[in-house]
Amino acid sequence: DTAVSQTPKYLVTQMGNDKSIKCEQNLGHDTMYWYKQDSKKFLKIMFSYNNKELIINETVPNRFSPKSPDKAHLNLHINSLELGDSAVYFCASSRQAYNEQFFGPGTRLTVL
Amino acid sequence: GDSVTQMEGPVTLSEEAFLTINCTYTATGYPSLFWYVQYPGEGLQLLLKATKADDKGSNKGFEATYRKETTSFHLEKGSVQVSDSAVYFCALSHTGNQFYFGTGTSLTVIP
Repeated sequence: DTAVSQTPKYLVTQMGNDKSIKCEQNLGHDTMYWYKQDSKKFLKIMFSYNNKELIINETVPNRFSPKSPDKAHLNLHINSLELGDSAVYFCASSRQAYNEQFFGPGTRLTVL
Repeated sequence: GDSVTQMEGPVTLSEEAFLTINCTYTATGYPSLFWYVQYPGEGLQLLLKATKADDKGSNKGFEATYRKETTSFHLEKGSVQVSDSAVYFCALSHTGNQFYFGTGTSLTVIP
């Protein structure tokens, strides 16, 4: 069974479109995260949710909006996509905010 | 604030060479320390961890010792294989605080 899953794995879209990435964890964890990884492998945290409540909201454009319908899911919606949004987006979860994190396989977003 | 600094890459080694990837941290108190590995095309996986000073984490032939006196958690392996080619991330966490990842070090092992 996959612990942290993301869909889709690849996403290719045009500038200006709106897209969503879904994330689900079956580990029973309370905390979930979204990270952006650039082409140099630098990992930047974007958001963190604990029990469906936002606890970390780093400086990201407000075109990015996370949504947590329940504590097992944390989806990422992106409006008006730009070229600079092209990256790999990782979802992760942990039991609590300071515990080891478990990562999904990533979603490679390409904006043309 | 808390932070992690790890050596810049890329690192290229021949098979069976000795590996060291340096990691130092800045934190108050006693954080937990981690090494994660990211194989090509995959997400990050926990490689090893240490939760208190002088603890040694080990897994798959990799080791790292939590050194509070030097605020370091260097990753070592005695004999690397081609399959160890990946990006390695050092990280720390504190109770009640968020996780902090280093910038990653890319390792390529050539036959």
